[in-house]
Amino acid sequence: KQEVTQIPAALSVPEGENLVLNCSFTDSAIYNLQWFRQDPGKGLTSLLLIQSSQREQTSGRLNASLDKSSGRSTLYIAASQPGDSATYLCAAGTSGGGADGLTFGKGTHLIIQP
Amino acid sequence: NAGVTQTPKFRVLKTGQSMTLLCAQDMNHEYMYWYRQDPGMGLRLIHYSVGEGTTAKGEVPDGYNVSRLKKQNFLLGLESAAPSQTSVYFCASSPRRFLGEVNEQFFGPGTRLTVL
Repeated sequence: KQEVTQIPAALSVPEGENLVLNCSFTDSAIYNLQWFRQDPGKGLTSLLLIQSSQREQTSGRLNASLDKSSGRSTLYIAASQPGDSATYLCAAGTSGGGADGLTFGKGTHLIIQP
Repeated sequence: NAGVTQTPKFRVLKTGQSMTLLCAQDMNHEYMYWYRQDPGMGLRLIHYSVGEGTTAKGEVPDGYNVSRLKKQNFLLGLESAAPSQTSVYFCASSPRRFLGEVNEQFFGPGTRLTVL
C-alpha cells in the first residue's frame, strides 16, 4: 500500500526567502506525482504534475523534482510572498490491483510572514 | 468550461438520514473519483470510476455507494449517515491514463457535510 509523507508539517518563513517542501512515498511504481495548493476552506488547485518519466517541472517561481529511485519529490518555491501562504499537498498516482487514484500526504501548512 | 462542480456545497444531516452528493464535469474525462478529507488524515479515496457504468472501491468505501450512469456525472450516496461521515467531500476527474500521456486530476470545490 502506497504511503505518502510530507515534511515539515508546518513552516513559517519571512517573505522573500526560498524554501523547499519535501514529499516521500513508499512505492516507487508511481505513474505521476502531483503537487496541489489548498487555501483554508477551499478546494485543491493543481500546481505541478510530474510524469514518472520526468525529473522535474517548473511553473513560474515553483519547481518540483521527482526521484523515483529514492521515493522523493521536492517543491521549491523561490522568492516567497505572503500570497503563497496555504497548505501544500503532495499526491502520488499509483495503480495496483485495479485501483487507480491519488494517495495524498497530510500536507505542509506554509505561512509567509510579511 | 465550468470544470468540476459539486452539489450541494454544505449539508447538515441527522444520524440515519440519507443523501446524494452530485459531481459533474464538462471536460469529457473518463475517470472520476470521490475523496474525503478529514483533519490530520489527508485526502482518502472512497470510490472511483474508469468509465460510464463502472465503479470500484477505493481506500475507505464502507457506508457509501456510487453510480456513474452518465459519463459526466458521478454520484456519491450515503444510505444511513453516521457522525463518522462528517467530512469534506471532494470529487475529481481525469482523462484516461494512456502510457506517456498526462492524466492530471482536476478537483471540484468540495461539499462540507456534517452529520449530527
